[in-house]
Amino acid sequence: KNEVEQSPQNLTAQEGEFITINCSYSVGISALHWLQQHPGGGIVSLFMLSSGKKKHGRLIATINIQEKHSSLHITASHPRDSAVYICAAYGNKLVFGAGTILRVKS
Amino acid sequence: NAGVMQNPRHLVRRRGQEARLRCSPMKGHSHVYWYRQLPEEGLKFMVYLQKENIIDESGMPKERFSAEFPKEGPSILRIQQVVRGDSAAYFCASSPAIRNEQFFGPGTRLTVL
Repeated sequence: KNEVEQSPQNLTAQEGEFITINCSYSVGISALHWLQQHPGGGIVSLFMLSSGKKKHGRLIATINIQEKHSSLHITASHPRDSAVYICAAYGNKLVFGAGTILRVKS
Repeated sequence: NAGVMQNPRHLVRRRGQEARLRCSPMKGHSHVYWYRQLPEEGLKFMVYLQKENIIDESGMPKERFSAEFPKEGPSILRIQQVVRGDSAAYFCASSPAIRNEQFFGPGTRLTVL
């Protein structure tokens, strides 16, 4: 079993839909990163959070330390949100999930 | 206010050659991390360095790979005698302190012929 599990692996949505990507981890962590990677592209840090909730524009990230679970939500999704979303648990070092491939259709 | 810089962005090497990948962290960041992303696989930690020191190299292959972060200049990831299996995207990230948010560079795509 991987230390960081993401679901779903693939997600297709219609433009405007509310999207949720889940991340569960089994390691002890000090924080959790959510990252975005476009095909063939670089990696952008979306959030780093250790408790509660953070919001940036249409993106919301939550974490429940007791349940070892985090979610990334995208409201009013848009085709430009199509990318791979990766969660990474931050213990002594970053341990990455396999990523969720999101495709938003117009 | 430049972000993390990596060069080259693309590097082609023949088997047996050496590859040198460079990473300049964000201004004010003294912590550098290297990650590898093999084709169709996820990101994996390789090494964590602070100025002039290797802090954690638990993810580095035991042979042919080395990393440094000198007092002056960029961090270098060096791969000697490259093999086809080294073909991957290599990302570096930097942070101002330990366990702070990491900011990633654009990556170097290494292709070994």
